[in-house]
Amino acid sequence: DSGVTQTPKHLITATGQRVTLRCSPRSGDLSVYWYQQSLDQGLQFLIQYYNGEERAKGNILERFSAQQFPDLHSELNLSSLELGDSALYFCASSGTGERETQYFGPGTRLLVL
Amino acid sequence: AQKVTQAQTEISVVEKEDVTLDCVYETRDTTYYLFWYKQPPSGELVFLIRRNSFDEQNEISGRYSWNFQKSTSSFNFTITASQVVDSAVYFCALSEADNAGNMLTFGGGTRLMVKP
Repeated sequence: DSGVTQTPKHLITATGQRVTLRCSPRSGDLSVYWYQQSLDQGLQFLIQYYNGEERAKGNILERFSAQQFPDLHSELNLSSLELGDSALYFCASSGTGERETQYFGPGTRLLVL
Repeated sequence: AQKVTQAQTEISVVEKEDVTLDCVYETRDTTYYLFWYKQPPSGELVFLIRRNSFDEQNEISGRYSWNFQKSTSSFNFTITASQVVDSAVYFCALSEADNAGNMLTFGGGTRLMVKP
């Protein structure tokens, strides 16, 4: 158990819908990261937040957005969902030092029908 | 731009065999960090090891060992006396110090199947 929690574990929805994925980092970690794992794209970095502020952005679609709240939990919002958005979405967290190791949550498996 | 290549997409071995998973990386930075993660069939990503670019010492942890060679930009992972529980997808990843954030660039992964 990494100490990172993600809810829900599974999500099934329809095209065009909007969903919110939630992540709670390990106790004391200030950084939260979101990654997408799909069969065709592999594991891809989406976005990083550090203590409530966006720190880095990867290949995140405009239909996707994220935020980190004062209690440090984070949410990833996916809107206007398409079939291709079906994937495993991971959250990770890391400590306050430079280039700290990222510890991953169990993931949320999203299926868009 | 950084890149990680795991040329072996799938490896199958019989229990107790030794197996090496290859990882080759590309980066322009002189300071960077390399990682290995394991993804068992249950799906979670489990951290195995972290290495910084200034530390070329090989590391051994039980049946696991890692060989880091800057000259060939490789960070290979060997499992000695493999066991069925080692069956998983293994990912090599790179983080560059010059990035504003701490994003990981992953290789495509190597699926290891250990048969009894």
